Amino acid sequence: AQSVAQPEDQVNVAEGNPLTVKCTYSVSGNPYLFWYVQYPNRGLQFLLKYITGDNLVKGSYGFEAEFNKSQTSFHLKKPSALVSDSALYFCAVRDSNSGNTPLVFGKGTRLSVIA
Amino acid sequence: GAVVSQHPSWVICKSGTSVKIECRSLDFQATTMFWYRQFPKQSLMLMATSNEGSKATYEQGVEKDKFLINHASLTLSTLTVTSAHPEDSSFYICSARDTGFSSYEQYFGPGTRLTVT
Repeated sequence: AQSVAQPEDQVNVAEGNPLTVKCTYSVSGNPYLFWYVQYPNRGLQFLLKYITGDNLVKGSYGFEAEFNKSQTSFHLKKPSALVSDSALYFCAVRDSNSGNTPLVFGKGTRLSVIA
Repeated sequence: GAVVSQHPSWVICKSGTSVKIECRSLDFQATTMFWYRQFPKQSLMLMATSNEGSKATYEQGVEKDKFLINHASLTLSTLTVTSAHPEDSSFYICSARDTGFSSYEQYFGPGTRLTVT
């Protein structure tokens, strides 16, 4: 079975400081990993994905994430947070061997960037 | 990139009526579409998986007679909430998977806010 854990319900960071939103996953095969951001009353916006290749993935709006197979993690990072980054962030996973199954989402982490 | 649209973006209906939500893939063909439900401040819960031309597969605990899903073409899936009640009020999000080479991708619609009064 596939699963995703986002251990933090809320992350607070000062504007200009680096931010990290944590994600760990569990799959039986190789993972396809995704990060999405959701603003209030809006759908999901794709940030970045890891499918294969370089472990460090760069995405939209200056975000990046590092795939760590040994720790089964895919933490989202940004060197300098903006107030506009405040939103709900979801990590999602799919097993590459799972056929046509849907993405499984973590519970979400609310990021609050304080000016 | 691939675009998924949903209509309506929000709807208010009276208890006991039915509401249909459309999900369209605008620039790609989607053999498979997924319907999610999201409660306030919570994650996305998968309701069902629909494959074009066949019956939808519902997740455990989701009433298939209440949430009717039709996927009649490669670009359109519909979710009908029948005899809606206030507890059906939620944010419904559809997602489509491209039948092309990037089949690991899922593209998400903007969501539909349903309020049942």
